[in-house]
Amino acid sequence: KNEVEQSPQNLTAQEGEFITINCSYSVGISALHWLQQHPGGGIVSLFMLSSGKKKHGRLIATINIQEKHSSLHITASHPRDSAVYICAVGLTNDMRFGAGTRLTVKP
Amino acid sequence: DGGITQSPKYLFRKEGQNVTLSCEQNLNHDAMYWYRQDPGQGLRLIYYSQIVNDFQKGDIAEGYSVSREKKESFPLTVTSAQKNPTAFYLCASSLTDYGYTFGSGTRLTVV
Repeated sequence: KNEVEQSPQNLTAQEGEFITINCSYSVGISALHWLQQHPGGGIVSLFMLSSGKKKHGRLIATINIQEKHSSLHITASHPRDSAVYICAVGLTNDMRFGAGTRLTVKP
Repeated sequence: DGGITQSPKYLFRKEGQNVTLSCEQNLNHDAMYWYRQDPGQGLRLIYYSQIVNDFQKGDIAEGYSVSREKKESFPLTVTSAQKNPTAFYLCASSLTDYGYTFGSGTRLTVV
């Protein structure tokens, strides 16, 4: 079993829909990261969380440390949000990554 | 602007050849990392370095080598011993556990 599990693997939505991507992890962590990877491959860090909730524009990330679960929400989704979203957990010397959720937002 | 520069973006290598991927950062980060990404899989750690002149193997170090002679630079050599080197390689750096910055990646194809 992977240490970081994401769901769903693939997600297709219509423009304007509310999106939720989930992440569960099984190890003790120092922080959880949500990353965005565009088709070119480069990765951008969206959020780093150790507790509670963070919001940036249309993106919201939450984490429940007791349940070892985090969610990434996108409100009013747009085709430019199409990307792979990756959950990663920070360990002492390393990060562990989920396999990613491929999001496609259709106009 | 501070960041991580990986080069080249695309690299082609003949079987049996060694190839070196470059990773440079000007963020003054102590730690640097190399990850490999394969389709449908999460990133896997190849090597990491917490300080200059020191580095540690990750989960999939076989067939790879690194050096850390300068704080800013952490090149990765994919040797001929790596059985399946075609992949996307990402370099990252961090100041502590909390602040990771990623490069734009190098896509290596063995022909």
